[in-house]
Amino acid sequence: AQTVTQSQPEMSVQEAETVTLSCTYDTSESDYYLFWYKQPPSRQMILVIRQEAYKQQNATENRFSVNFQKAAKSFSLKISDSQLGDAAMYFCAYGTLYNFNKFYFGSGTKLNVKP
Amino acid sequence: EAQVTQNPRYLITVTGKKLTVTCSQNMNHEYMSWYRQDPGLGLRQIYYSMNVEVTDKGDVPEGYKVSRKEKRNFPLILESPSPNQTSLYFCASSYLTSGRSNEQYFGPGTRLTVT
Repeated sequence: AQTVTQSQPEMSVQEAETVTLSCTYDTSESDYYLFWYKQPPSRQMILVIRQEAYKQQNATENRFSVNFQKAAKSFSLKISDSQLGDAAMYFCAYGTLYNFNKFYFGSGTKLNVKP
Repeated sequence: EAQVTQNPRYLITVTGKKLTVTCSQNMNHEYMSWYRQDPGLGLRQIYYSMNVEVTDKGDVPEGYKVSRKEKRNFPLILESPSPNQTSLYFCASSYLTSGRSNEQYFGPGTRLTVT
């Protein structure tokens, strides 16, 4: 089974600065999808960004971008110009193509943003 | 508005008293899934369904039942709840597309406490 590891239980960043959250995964599949979800204190799960494994280009959504290293099985999330509203729990998730839409989640990283 | 709804949002119950958490989506999604979220463990899949009358176990199915009699609804049933089922529960849905892992849309979560 696939596993997803987030080795940073908690991180802090100063407002307006940049922070990178780490995620590694283990898989024998060649095609898959990766996601970052944000969970603010409201508990709602919000999709931040997604990456298709067959695409070499790293995904970007406004201030959020990823560094996808397929060979290293690494999928980090970079948040630029951090804002107070970015404070949340962030989950990395792996989506398999071979068992329809089965998702595997990491344990999460709690991001604190300091004013 | 496209959404996944769950009821109730909060529930405190006693050991052994059967309960049902409802989940409904209005996006005509084929795929629906239940997760539980526990500190330090991320989200773990309980059951999923790829269409009406098609359900299968996730990673932590023990103590839970599901049914999918209508496309929009996917209730989670705890026949005899125990304290180790105290958790935050999420329902999610998505389209099923061959060769693609689609993002999952999450409900607002149900906080369950079993005493």
